[in-house]
Amino acid sequence: DIVMTQSPDSLAVSLGERATINCKSSQSLLSSSDNQNYLAWYQQKVGQPPKLLIYWASTRGSGVPDRFSGSGSGTDFTLTVSSLQAEDVAVYYCHQHYGAPLTFGQGTKVEI
Amino acid sequence: EVQVVESGGGLVQPGGSLRLSCAVSGFIFNSEWMNWVRQAPGKGLEWVAIINKDGNVKYYMNSVKGRFAISRDNTKNSLYLQMNGLRVEDTAVYFCVTGRGFLLDIWGQGTMVTVSS
Repeated sequence: DIVMTQSPDSLAVSLGERATINCKSSQSLLSSSDNQNYLAWYQQKVGQPPKLLIYWASTRGSGVPDRFSGSGSGTDFTLTVSSLQAEDVAVYYCHQHYGAPLTFGQGTKVEI
Repeated sequence: EVQVVESGGGLVQPGGSLRLSCAVSGFIFNSEWMNWVRQAPGKGLEWVAIINKDGNVKYYMNSVKGRFAISRDNTKNSLYLQMNGLRVEDTAVYFCVTGRGFLLDIWGQGTMVTVSS
């Protein structure tokens, strides 16, 4: 199974400041057939289901603000919120959609 | 607009069975993979099972193999999860999730399953 490890487990960021979350996979998520990284990021607010933010490591989902960006390749990935807003308080998960069993990171709690 | 609605959760004793259902609308159901993902109270996300568009390819997380069965009815735009031999550690909110390949796309609100004596 591919193990996903996020860091940090939690972070506090001031409004308008940058938040950075890291995710490391135990094996490469880069597909040789299409040169895509099969890494996604989800945002889960309290009492809500997760929402897809980023897929293929850097492609924003539908309606996702451009302050959210994803980067990285292979085994090391980053989610960046360029200017944190109050509505961004949530738990963020990375997820590999490279192959079954699908796996998630443990989550990173972002607070103001 | 895609809508995903789960049902069938509840309280069950250890060793018991439960069948979850998921109704999907606003989506070409028979063209995509579908998933179940769970979240224990206060814990992270845990993928449970996936089924392909035709229903003939299925994958499961190790701890539910032989106990849970994912299925679908494309004529009813519905996904199911038959859960047998339930354990206390299966207690969680179960989410039905549409897929784009193996990518988890649109999530329902979830249905709570509590396994307790």
